[in-house]
Amino acid sequence: EVQLVQSGAEVKKPGESLKISCKGSEYNLATYYIGWVRQMPGKGLEWMGMIHPADSDTNYSPTFQGQVTISADKSITTAYLQWSSLKASDTAIYYCARRSALSEGAFDVWGQGTMVTVFS
Amino acid sequence: DIQLTQSPSFLSASVGDRVTITCRASQGISSYLAWYQHKPGKAPKFLIYAASTLHTGVPSRFSGTGSGTEFTLTISSLQPEDFATYYCQQLNSYPYTFGQGTKLEIK
Repeated sequence: EVQLVQSGAEVKKPGESLKISCKGSEYNLATYYIGWVRQMPGKGLEWMGMIHPADSDTNYSPTFQGQVTISADKSITTAYLQWSSLKASDTAIYYCARRSALSEGAFDVWGQGTMVTVFS
Repeated sequence: DIQLTQSPSFLSASVGDRVTITCRASQGISSYLAWYQHKPGKAPKFLIYAASTLHTGVPSRFSGTGSGTEFTLTISSLQPEDFATYYCQQLNSYPYTFGQGTKLEIK
């Protein structure tokens, strides 16, 4: 079964750095765009950006440009989302998702989500 | 950015009811629209792409219509497992924005 497996929940303090991961299972992650989606507490889904692991082609939402870095390591079929200095407002669940090659680019496979909690 | 506005934001219905959710785009997006179902504590589930094509395995009680700026998701006969939040997403241009969501609750 095709899966995206995300790293576990994180609890951090403001100002700390963080890198969370998303690994493809049963398919070659490098051949599909991987996107990241934020869900803040009690709020809806927000598209953050996408990366193609094969060539690192990356697109960011203007909301998140400069706030996070999306990267990938195709050799280990893993995508990453990282912060250099976390804020309390980064508290959210972060999902990675695979952009389908056949479904007009929709996200057909989703990771289980990584909860990030930032508080002092 | 293309804005997507869903209506209603909240919907209360009973098992067996027919419900329709609308998604309006701030500019034309052809048929580049997807729908997802999201339950608390779970990953979102992909339902529909290209505005009206059901993803593999999605029950036929779900259907989607529309093109341009107005789209609908209809559930023909609500089942207990359908109570969730539904999101539309445009795939016409970056950033691939989502609607704000429609929470479907049991009446």
